[in-house]
Amino acid sequence: EIVLTQSPATLSLSPGERATLSCRASQSVSNFLAWYQQKPGQAPRLLIYDASNRATGIPARFSGSGSGTDFTLTISSLEPEDFAVYYCQHRSTWPHSFGPGTKVDIK
Amino acid sequence: EVQLVESGGGLVQPGGPLRLSCVASGFTFRTYWMSWVRQAPGKGLEWVANVGPDGSEKRYATPMEGRFTISRDNARNSVFLNTNNVRAEDAAMYYCARDRDGKDLWGQGTLVTVSS
Repeated sequence: EIVLTQSPATLSLSPGERATLSCRASQSVSNFLAWYQQKPGQAPRLLIYDASNRATGIPARFSGSGSGTDFTLTISSLEPEDFAVYYCQHRSTWPHSFGPGTKVDIK
Repeated sequence: EVQLVESGGGLVQPGGPLRLSCVASGFTFRTYWMSWVRQAPGKGLEWVANVGPDGSEKRYATPMEGRFTISRDNARNSVFLNTNNVRAEDAAMYYCARDRDGKDLWGQGTLVTVSS
């Protein structure tokens, strides 16, 4: 089974700053990696699929990069509504596991 | 409106049955893979199971294999998750989700509480 690790566990930043989140796979997942945002009390929302493709309606400040085992989600300039938990998930082989999440909170 | 609506959660007894349902609307349900994902209180997301468009292909997370069953009824635009032996560690919010290149549509979730 492929294990995803995310770092850091918590990222404390101010609005307007750049956020860089990492997701690492225990073996190659090619580009079959997605990123999700979850706010308290809400269902997750798809941000990025296949490593670098923004989902419908996702602002351009969100971008994804990487392939193989190392992936990055970048938020170019944090808006107040971006403070949330972010998860990566692969769909390379079954099981399609999630990473443990990165919480982006207000500094 | 394109949406997923889960139901069937609530208080369940350890060792008892659980049947969760998810009704889809606003899209061609029979052409999509569908998923169940759960989230224990204060914890991260955990993928549970997937079912293919015609219901013949099913995949489970290792801890759920043999204990949970995913199924679908395309005539009723519905996907289901069943178990006959609920454990304390199954207490969670259960979400159904539509699968395309990622899980691009989620329901609001149904909360399962396990207690005697």
